[in-house]
Amino acid sequence: DSGVTQTPKHLITATGQRVTLRCSPRSGDLSVYWYQQSLDQGLQFLIHYYNGEERAKGNILERFSAQQFPDLHSELNLSSLELGDSALYFCASSVNSERQFFGPGTRLTVL
Amino acid sequence: SQKIEQNSEALNIQEGKTATLTCNYTNYSPAYLQWYRQDPGRGPVFLLLIRENEKEKRKERLKVTFDTTLKQSLFHITASQPADSATYLCAPGSGTYKYIFGTGTRLKVLA
Repeated sequence: DSGVTQTPKHLITATGQRVTLRCSPRSGDLSVYWYQQSLDQGLQFLIHYYNGEERAKGNILERFSAQQFPDLHSELNLSSLELGDSALYFCASSVNSERQFFGPGTRLTVL
Repeated sequence: SQKIEQNSEALNIQEGKTATLTCNYTNYSPAYLQWYRQDPGRGPVFLLLIRENEKEKRKERLKVTFDTTLKQSLFHITASQPADSATYLCAPGSGTYKYIFGTGTRLKVLA
């Protein structure tokens, strides 16, 4: 158990809908990262937050947004969903950028 | 752009043998390199980190080398066991590039 929690574990929704994925980092970790992993694909970095502030953006679509709240939990919002957004979404946390601790992931299926 | 290459083909080895996985990177100079293990449908788990000024690092049956001249890291699992079967990801990182993961090499240890 990495200490990072993600909810929900599974999400099935339709195209055009909007969903919110939630992540709670390990106690004491200020950094939260979001990654997308499609079937047989590598981890694609989406966004990094540190203590509530956005630190870096990867190839995150404009339809996606995220935020980190004062209690350090983070949410990833995905809107106008398309079939191609179906993937595993991982959250990770760390004290610094090294040694990221990953959550169990949210499996999103867009029908 | 930065590129990480890991052998995309699965590596099958016999139980008890040493597995050696390769990670090559181009177009950047990482200050450290991390290795993670990922089981199907689960989040990656941090295994080892080696810094640019370290040639080799060990942890139990794991050994990692880092050759900044060759731009390569080797990851060894000695006395491999079927429980070591998983996908192994490398992640060369630095202050600027800390979110890049290789696509991983799938290892299968045959009993």
